[in-house]
Amino acid sequence: GAVVSQHPSRVICKSGTSVKIECRSLDFQATTMFWYRQFPKQSLMLMATSNEGSKATYEQGVEKDKFLINHASLTLSTLTVTSAHPEDSSFYICSAIETGGRNQPQHFGDGTRLSIL
Amino acid sequence: AQKITQTQPGMFVQEKEAVTLDCTYDTSDQSYGLFWYKQPSSGEMIFLIYQGSYDEQNATEGRYSLNFQKARKSANLVISASQLGDSAMYFCAMREGSNFNKFYFGSGTKLNVKP
Repeated sequence: GAVVSQHPSRVICKSGTSVKIECRSLDFQATTMFWYRQFPKQSLMLMATSNEGSKATYEQGVEKDKFLINHASLTLSTLTVTSAHPEDSSFYICSAIETGGRNQPQHFGDGTRLSIL
Repeated sequence: AQKITQTQPGMFVQEKEAVTLDCTYDTSDQSYGLFWYKQPSSGEMIFLIYQGSYDEQNATEGRYSLNFQKARKSANLVISASQLGDSAMYFCAMREGSNFNKFYFGSGTKLNVKP
């Protein structure tokens, strides 16, 4: 089955640090990847849609300069949380879809737990 | 209007019994896909089952089946013979759009399987 690798799985760092999270599709090409944020006991909140070779599409209320997304290849998208603060602490999870029709599910990474001290 | 509605924040089921998790959706598209995901406490999202809008038969995958009622716009997940390992959050999702690049998730249902 399609595998998405997300790294790192957990980050603990000081306020003001920038943190980069990688999302890789290991055995398929993903023209589109998604970045979600999830608060405890809540659903996934879509942050942005990342398309290979073009700028990411951010959801309303998500700061583009705060959450930098780069989708440089068909297998890699990165999310950089710039100058992270405690309120950025959350669970971030990426997903990727193969090109195709409505029957293709999103394949998710295992998520990154970000804790800003 | 909510695209995906899951009205059960939490559910309990006895081990070995069947349980139905409700999901209704809202779309004006004719072609769309419906998905269920399981999220254990460890956080990963596990794809369970898919139902296409044109599929006439209900999808089944092992102990999972999808009760698809198109006219009512519902796509309930049925888990048969519940196991303790089924305890998790369950999310219903829909894929639609001109390129099928729009995904919507419900708020989730927390399932607890009792021994």
